Amino acid sequence: GQNIDQPTEMTATEGAIVQINCTYQTSGFNGLFWYQQHAGEAPTFLSYNVLDGLEEKGRFSSFLSRSKGYSYLLLKELQMKDSASYLCAVRDDWDYKLSFGAGTTVTVRA
Amino acid sequence: GAGVSQTPSNKVTEKGKYVELRCDPISGHTALYWYRQSLGQGPEFLIYFQGTGAADDSGLPNDRFFAVRPEGSVSTLKIQRTERGDSAVYLCASSPGAGAYYEQYFGPGTRLTVT
Repeated sequence: GQNIDQPTEMTATEGAIVQINCTYQTSGFNGLFWYQQHAGEAPTFLSYNVLDGLEEKGRFSSFLSRSKGYSYLLLKELQMKDSASYLCAVRDDWDYKLSFGAGTTVTVRA
Repeated sequence: GAGVSQTPSNKVTEKGKYVELRCDPISGHTALYWYRQSLGQGPEFLIYFQGTGAADDSGLPNDRFFAVRPEGSVSTLKIQRTERGDSAVYLCASSPGAGAYYEQYFGPGTRLTVT
């Protein structure tokens, strides 16, 4: 089976930095995805890591350590619109389906 | 270009009834996925199509659930004899292919409520 863990909730101040951790234990590994989901809306793609290291995309960065089964999503210069749920998902085989964590709800305060 | 669309956006049905949920993927996307998301949880995989065929239906919870994609584009998820535990948001996603790195594009979902 798949086991993907991430914190349930985090709160941060506008302009600050927040790091959302994700640990996983899966039967295989073929990439880790981060999605953002605003309440009542579809998940939208943020980042993809398949090799160890840091991927940077604007204010968002994602890190992967395959040996540790660990990833984090770093959100910089937080804005109020960043208040959302952030989903960690692992593709565990050479094809298709994603196994998701329960999501981390980030609340940005003024 | 349009994204993934799903209809209806909301569906309320009585326990024991039959429902159909529709997904229109992004044009040209060969891979299509159905997920189910309960409140406070991440999406849970149900079934995956590559073209017209169901390549993996291992996530369907039982034989009351069935999905088709007859022409390799639109897909319909069918639920027979609905139960209150089926209440959830049903998400559809599509991608250009299924191998290597392919981002999955999600639709807005159908919120199913079984009373």
